Amino acid sequence: DAGVTQSPTHLIKTRGQQVTLRCSPKSGHDTVSWYQQALGQGPQFIFQYYEEEERQRGNFPDRFSGHQFPNYSSELNVNALLLGDSALYLCASSLREEYNEQFFGPGTRLTVL
Amino acid sequence: GQNIDQPTEMTATEGAIVQINCTYQTSGFNGLFWYQQHAGEAPTFLSYNVLDGLEEKGRFSSFLSRSKGYSYLLLKELQMKDSASYLCAVRDRGGATNKLIFGTGTLLAVQP
Repeated sequence: DAGVTQSPTHLIKTRGQQVTLRCSPKSGHDTVSWYQQALGQGPQFIFQYYEEEERQRGNFPDRFSGHQFPNYSSELNVNALLLGDSALYLCASSLREEYNEQFFGPGTRLTVL
Repeated sequence: GQNIDQPTEMTATEGAIVQINCTYQTSGFNGLFWYQQHAGEAPTFLSYNVLDGLEEKGRFSSFLSRSKGYSYLLLKELQMKDSASYLCAVRDRGGATNKLIFGTGTLLAVQP
């Protein structure tokens, strides 16, 4: 049973570019949350997707957008990249009815130059 | 406002016991989680408390006092592999049932 998978593992972009990160949830999970983790900090909630809709959003600008597909996988898009967007982006999946545990993926390390 | 405080760094000796404290002030509360995160890896779930008291799971125990906004993670019989960052997170009572608010993490170094 595969856990949460994310791609790519690492990514290097330049300021102003756009990036798409991908996440496949753990088998059977229907809810995907995205977090941004800067170096030396705890993860910060970006948004959560359930039934292909964004259900709640953290304090992130509209440059951050997402999507969830019918198979529950999800994408995170970031436009007009800034140096401050450099971070580890974590995807977490869970089952909406059993929310006592979220499983995190290995993350995508994004570096903006 | 949302605020979760935990010590930045701690050092302990192999075989010993260490307690990592976490205090929180959040607009809502629907459970407190502890995660372990090794450098460059994803956080892994350690424990969950929603009611006051102690939850024990092997070498790890977690305590919660909702009236004090306080939790601690207790690690017994420390091993070198326990060197990691330990994240305290509160689940917000907001619209998304799984929105977690994390502290900055406590970096634990276990020495021989």
